Amino acid sequence: QLVVTQSPSASASVGASVKLTCTLSSGHSNYGIAWHQQQPEKGPRFLMIVNSGGGHIKGDGIPDRFSGSSSGAERYLTISSLQSEDEADYYCQTWDSGIQVFGGGTKLTVL
Amino acid sequence: QVQLVESGGGLVKPGGSLRLSCAASGLTFSDYYMIWIRQAPAKGLEWLSYIGNGGDIYYADSVQGRFTISRDNSKNSLYLQMNNLRAEDTAVYYCARGRSIARYGNSGPNEYWGQGSLVTVST
Repeated sequence: QLVVTQSPSASASVGASVKLTCTLSSGHSNYGIAWHQQQPEKGPRFLMIVNSGGGHIKGDGIPDRFSGSSSGAERYLTISSLQSEDEADYYCQTWDSGIQVFGGGTKLTVL
Repeated sequence: QVQLVESGGGLVKPGGSLRLSCAASGLTFSDYYMIWIRQAPAKGLEWLSYIGNGGDIYYADSVQGRFTISRDNSKNSLYLQMNNLRAEDTAVYYCARGRSIARYGNSGPNEYWGQGSLVTVST
């Protein structure tokens, strides 16, 4: 069964970097994923696609501070030079044909 | 730029029906697969349904048989007919646009999201 797993929470200080992880279920390590950001009281926003080779394609207007990478069944979102507005929930998403699967989300606190 | 605007949410009694609409602009609507996702209060995102452009439709188990997705390319609109609603269907409902079917195929991530429409199922 296709599943993506995320840690429920993460924290880092303003100006620092943070790396969020999304783990694909066994047998699905070659799947691509997408990262989405949801700021408080707002709808989600597409950040980027991360493929199994570690390449990433960002959405419109996403700052260079956001980058993606990959290792095995893990997909990463790295945010550098953290700003207060980066405090949000971050969701990873994968897909198989028309069926989509979301992780439970990681709540990022910027200290 | 791409805009997705949901409408049709509101308060409905258990067992009732509601039809959500999603008006799209700034894109050639027929080029893209479209998706409905929901978010229950203080919960994460839940994928509900997908519609491509060749009659391909998928549903999550939680709504299969109760919800119906459809699209009208001439009106640049996506719909979700929701029947036999339950308290656990209470959520903000989002429509989302996928990627170009011709360029990327009929599956992938959601690249644009609407602002959401709140559906409350309660007596």
